[in-house]
Amino acid sequence: AQSVTQLDSHVSVSEGTPVLLRCNYSSSYSPSLFWYVQHPNKGLQLLLKYTSAATLVKGINGFEAEFKKSETSFHLTKPSAHMSDAAEYFCVVGSNYQLIWGAGTKLIIKP
Amino acid sequence: DAGVIQSPRHEVTEMGQEVTLRCKPISGHDYLFWYRQTMMRGLELLIYFNNNVPIDDSGMPEDRFSAKMPNASFSTLKIQPSEPRDSAVYFCASSLGPFNPYEQYFGPGTRLTVT
Repeated sequence: AQSVTQLDSHVSVSEGTPVLLRCNYSSSYSPSLFWYVQHPNKGLQLLLKYTSAATLVKGINGFEAEFKKSETSFHLTKPSAHMSDAAEYFCVVGSNYQLIWGAGTKLIIKP
Repeated sequence: DAGVIQSPRHEVTEMGQEVTLRCKPISGHDYLFWYRQTMMRGLELLIYFNNNVPIDDSGMPEDRFSAKMPNASFSTLKIQPSEPRDSAVYFCASSLGPFNPYEQYFGPGTRLTVT
């Protein structure tokens, strides 16, 4: 069975500092992995996706994620946080035409 | 493209009333998904369609919920009768399958409040 665990419910960083949002997955075969972002009172937007090509995946707004099979991780990073990055981020596993969602990590940006 | 369109954006209704939520997927997408999001339970998949046919409705909470997709450009989620615990944000999403079923495009959501 597929599952996904986001290790932090909230992450707080200062503007201009790096961002790290952690995600671990469980999958019986090579997974499709995604990060989605939800800004306050908005819908969900695909940030980036991993589908067994390059292990370092670049997404929108300067975010990237690295697929590490040995660690079953797919952490999301950004070198320098911006105020507009404040949102909730979801790590997602694709399985059987469905998306299995993590619980979400709320990213707080301090000025 | 206008993206996934949902209506209404906000709905306030009284317990016992029928509620109908509407969704227009992105043209050409052949998968359509209905989700519900609450603080307590997070994001839950309710049902999804492929080529207008319901494929998996195991997430539909109970018989009060029903979903239809009469054609490729329109879907409805109906709750009858509504209850306060149905209060949530309901999202519709579509994707271009079968090779990209996971790259889902979400609508803005319908915020439902049942009093």
